[in-house]
Amino acid sequence: DTAVSQTPKYLVTQMGNDKSIKCEQNLGHDTMYWYKQDSKKFLKIMFSYNNKELIINETVPNRFSPKSPDKAHLNLHINSLELGDSAVYFCASSRTGSSSSYTFGSGTRLTVV
Amino acid sequence: DQQVKQNSPSLSVQEGRISILNCDYTNSMFDYFLWYKKYPAEGPTFLISISSIKDKNEDGRFTVFLNKSAKHLSLHIVPSQPGDSAVYFCAASPITSGTYKYIFGTGTRLKVLA
Repeated sequence: DTAVSQTPKYLVTQMGNDKSIKCEQNLGHDTMYWYKQDSKKFLKIMFSYNNKELIINETVPNRFSPKSPDKAHLNLHINSLELGDSAVYFCASSRTGSSSSYTFGSGTRLTVV
Repeated sequence: DQQVKQNSPSLSVQEGRISILNCDYTNSMFDYFLWYKKYPAEGPTFLISISSIKDKNEDGRFTVFLNKSAKHLSLHIVPSQPGDSAVYFCAASPITSGTYKYIFGTGTRLKVLA
């Protein structure tokens, strides 16, 4: 009964491949996010969806495409993977207008070789 | 441009003593601040928050202090326990139309020695 679950937990793939990471939350939140933690440990926001609508889209290569089929799911598809995409990707969710915390998933460690 | 900075990558403290973790920010538009705790192979978990209208918020052993003029916040843990050993992130967000977009620092690894 994990609140925010991401799959897979680990992903190793070759350059040039296309891969997807899935995220689901069962908290009834209406806003979901993708964050990237790179090798320097920066946690940077990539995207945010509110009720399936994109509300935050940071400067991210358009090889990254989020998709939200419903407000409980936010998937991240990455085309033509590059070495620099190697990072830990965290999904999170929150309630609109709530100043309090995000609830994070446990992360997906992506390694591009 | 790193808007939220945690200049100490690591900190070691004896069990029972106070741990003080620091965070500086550059954007005066930030209105809300959070501290997260992260264990290895897990996502960050929320610890404590403070809004810009306050200068202190306390929750059990955890207290966050905000100095807006210095653009500085700190997390105090008293007394420190071995289970507090983790990476601590501060995060800050402006409030724009009810939307929060948190920017995180790079974290401070706290080790509490038994």
